[in-house]
Amino acid sequence: GAGVSQSPSNKVTEKGKDVELRCDPISGHTALYWYRQSLGQGLEFLIYFQGNSAPDKSGLPSDRFSAERTGGSVSTLTIQRTQQEDSAVYLCASSLVAEEVETQYFGPGTRLLVL
Amino acid sequence: AQSVTQLGSHVSVSEGALVLLRCNYSSSVPPYLFWYVQYPNQGLQLLLKYTTGATLVKGINGFEAEFKKSETSFHLTKPSAHMSDAAEYFCAAVNTGGFKTIFGAGTRLFVKA
Repeated sequence: GAGVSQSPSNKVTEKGKDVELRCDPISGHTALYWYRQSLGQGLEFLIYFQGNSAPDKSGLPSDRFSAERTGGSVSTLTIQRTQQEDSAVYLCASSLVAEEVETQYFGPGTRLLVL
Repeated sequence: AQSVTQLGSHVSVSEGALVLLRCNYSSSVPPYLFWYVQYPNQGLQLLLKYTTGATLVKGINGFEAEFKKSETSFHLTKPSAHMSDAAEYFCAAVNTGGFKTIFGAGTRLFVKA
């Protein structure tokens, strides 16, 4: 079956522009997670969704970052007024339910470069 | 706050040699523990996870990890490295009752012919 898909795979933007990153989870997965992987660093948790609600937004780096999920499926991560330090790979994952022991299935990521 | 430490950002082994990738967590209450592998230009893939029960966990591709509470460790091993094991490996932890996965910085494994 289809895995987690993300688009675009690569995005180059100019500083100050807004970007939208899309994640399409595995069908039937109710939980969805966003992570950021910066060069030379591990993965940083950003936000997770259970259904359409995001109980924990504490991982978002600043108020320029926002995420939404509609219909319990596709999610969009939006970065407003991008800065060079936003350059990273943004990974999305989904799991059947939002439980600690559930296996998360990762997408290939969106590589964002802010010039 | 929970943290995960992976000793060694790079590990190099010869083909056929033992692979040992180290991971330690910080919390006094043992979390759930995971090892993920990331091949070039691919997403992360779960290798194995420890939740409860047997402390020696077997995963895919011949990898296994042992949870040692006394050492707060969850080291990953494979008896004999294969060229196809070359990848980046991430240890991760999730506190019981939580959903935030904390990842280590990753260890890149090189396998020499």
